[in-house]
Amino acid sequence: DAGVTQSPTHLIKTRGQQVTLRCSPISGHKSVSWYQQVLGQGPQFIFQYYEKEERGRGNFPDRFSARQFPNYSSELNVNALLLGDSALYLCASSTLGQVPYEQYFGPGTRLTVT
Amino acid sequence: KNQVEQSPQSLIILEGKNCTLQCNYTVSPFSNLRWYKQDTGRGPVSLTIMTFSENTKSNGRYTATLDADTKQSSLHITASQLSDSASYICVVSAGSNDYKLSFGAGTTVTVRA
Repeated sequence: DAGVTQSPTHLIKTRGQQVTLRCSPISGHKSVSWYQQVLGQGPQFIFQYYEKEERGRGNFPDRFSARQFPNYSSELNVNALLLGDSALYLCASSTLGQVPYEQYFGPGTRLTVT
Repeated sequence: KNQVEQSPQSLIILEGKNCTLQCNYTVSPFSNLRWYKQDTGRGPVSLTIMTFSENTKSNGRYTATLDADTKQSSLHITASQLSDSASYICVVSAGSNDYKLSFGAGTTVTVRA
């Protein structure tokens, strides 16, 4: 059974550009969460989507947006990139059954902003 | 502000030895505490999840403890192996917002032969 997949694996962008990251959850999982992990730190929560609706948002600027598609895959968009957006972006999927919800993480997309 | 603090920041141990990692948190109201293992450049993998009523949970050579009164947790690795070299992250979930996880910065464990 395939795990959470993310694309692309690596990405290099310049300041001011826009980027779209993609995530496919585990089959049967209807919830997707996005996290940003800056080098040397733990992941920070960005968004969670369930059944195509946003359920939660972390403390990130409006330059960050996301959406979930009918097949439960998701995209994270970041506009007007800053050097500080350089990070590993992780996607996690969950069934959102009984609390606590187990979250399964993908391998991440490494974004470098120059 | 909900915080999760881990110690030590890093440690080196010899293969076959044991080690214990610490986690203190101020997240409130508490829902559950998780330990994840993260290999370099990869996504975190769940080791254990403990709710308020649980004070110990094992997963193979990994044993986690939780003291909800003092808001402390530990992860004990027994008979370490080279494959245990990774970052170990303590994660706390607050209240009913179980999707909004608070991560510690992690402890980097290096196991040497």
